[in-house]
Amino acid sequence: GQQVMQIPQYQHVQEGEDFTTYCNSSTTLSNIQWYKQRPGGHPVFLIQLVKSGEVKKQKRLTFQFGEAKKNSSLHITATQTTDVGTYFCASGSQGNLIFGKGTKLSVKP
Amino acid sequence: NAGVTQTPKFQVLKTGQSMTLQCAQDMNHEYMSWYRQDPGMGLRLIHYSVGAGITDQGEVPNGYNVSRSTTEDFPLRLLSAAPSQTSVYFCAAGYSYNEQFFGPGTRLTVL
Repeated sequence: GQQVMQIPQYQHVQEGEDFTTYCNSSTTLSNIQWYKQRPGGHPVFLIQLVKSGEVKKQKRLTFQFGEAKKNSSLHITATQTTDVGTYFCASGSQGNLIFGKGTKLSVKP
Repeated sequence: NAGVTQTPKFQVLKTGQSMTLQCAQDMNHEYMSWYRQDPGMGLRLIHYSVGAGITDQGEVPNGYNVSRSTTEDFPLRLLSAAPSQTSVYFCAAGYSYNEQFFGPGTRLTVL
């Protein structure tokens, strides 16, 4: 079945440093979604990408969907302590939404 | 609007007991789903529903039953709880499987 692999599993950064998490698939994805889960909280939808090569920005967050629609990335510029949490990518197909295992981000003040 | 609500927030069961995790949404979304989240495993889809009266299995359906008699409610039943079902359970709703709104979760421990 469809799988999405996410790396790295953990990332520790100093506040102000940039952060990137990557999502990869061996098959072409119809779309890619990104969610954020704060410690002790529930996943919160951030964005969905559908088009090949699509790039979307939300303030300090930049989301990209690869040209071949097999990979995606989330980049955070100048991390803040409020960015801590786990970031998940997910892809949907035929009613199923399959999540990557997530990248846990910690930010040192 | 409350969005997606889940009850209970915490539950401890003994092996073999049965229980129902409740999920309700007030957003009139057709699509609802249940996930379990285990350390290092991400979110895994248990069952989902594309509308009242329609349910289907996800990635890890064994040991769980669901039904969808109304648009608002999507309960998850554990027929005979096992320690392997210790997990955090999230219910979600959306217009489709895209852009899911998650509930606060139920933390279940099976002894």
